[in-house]
Amino acid sequence: DQQVKQNSPSLSVQEGRISILNCDYTNSMFDYFLWYKKYPAEGPTFLISISSIKDKNEDGRFTVFLNKSAKHLSLHIVPSQPGDSAVYFCAAGLLYGNNRLAFGKGNQVVVIP
Amino acid sequence: DAGVIQSPRHEVTEMGQEVTLRCKPISGHNSLFWYRQTMMRGLELLIYFNNNVPIDDSGMPEDRFSAKMPNASFSTLKIQPSEPRDSAVYFCASTKGASGGSANEQFFGPGTRLTVL
Repeated sequence: DQQVKQNSPSLSVQEGRISILNCDYTNSMFDYFLWYKKYPAEGPTFLISISSIKDKNEDGRFTVFLNKSAKHLSLHIVPSQPGDSAVYFCAAGLLYGNNRLAFGKGNQVVVIP
Repeated sequence: DAGVIQSPRHEVTEMGQEVTLRCKPISGHNSLFWYRQTMMRGLELLIYFNNNVPIDDSGMPEDRFSAKMPNASFSTLKIQPSEPRDSAVYFCASTKGASGGSANEQFFGPGTRLTVL
């Protein structure tokens, strides 16, 4: 049973425009959410996170929005750059508790120069 | 810091053979995770260890899969006998511990691409 769902497996966007990735979760106990970025032949690397006490966290060109009532989060990349072309994984877990994370299937983003 | 180290990076084997994947977590991290990535299922957690003790192996698909962590700096994932459907990329990740906040950020190794013919 997929506790974290990422629909729209691929996204193509023009350089300089905004990329928006969406993620839904089913477990209301989750209170910590992360986005990972993965290049081919590499492991996922941490990008940005948010805890449930916030509804927005920003880091440079990357912003994560959390809507707890809808069990939905999104990642905005603006402006998108060719180097952002990668697979993005949404993950969710417990801020205090065990260390395990549930991951979505990932979204492929292609930024067109 | 060398990061999480995995070996081999690529493994091609024949059905029925034993496969052993290796992982060295980041020094000082006390939790270690094994994941399998496939197109169909994305990143699946197979098993994780806390302080070298297996905590949850519910993701291990079958008895053919086993994992060990004999010490804080080494873990293995073994598949015996291997089957073509085991073909995937296997990732190892580590994290500092359950103290909350950034402790939940997992650091991934580069993965082992396994192909079972």
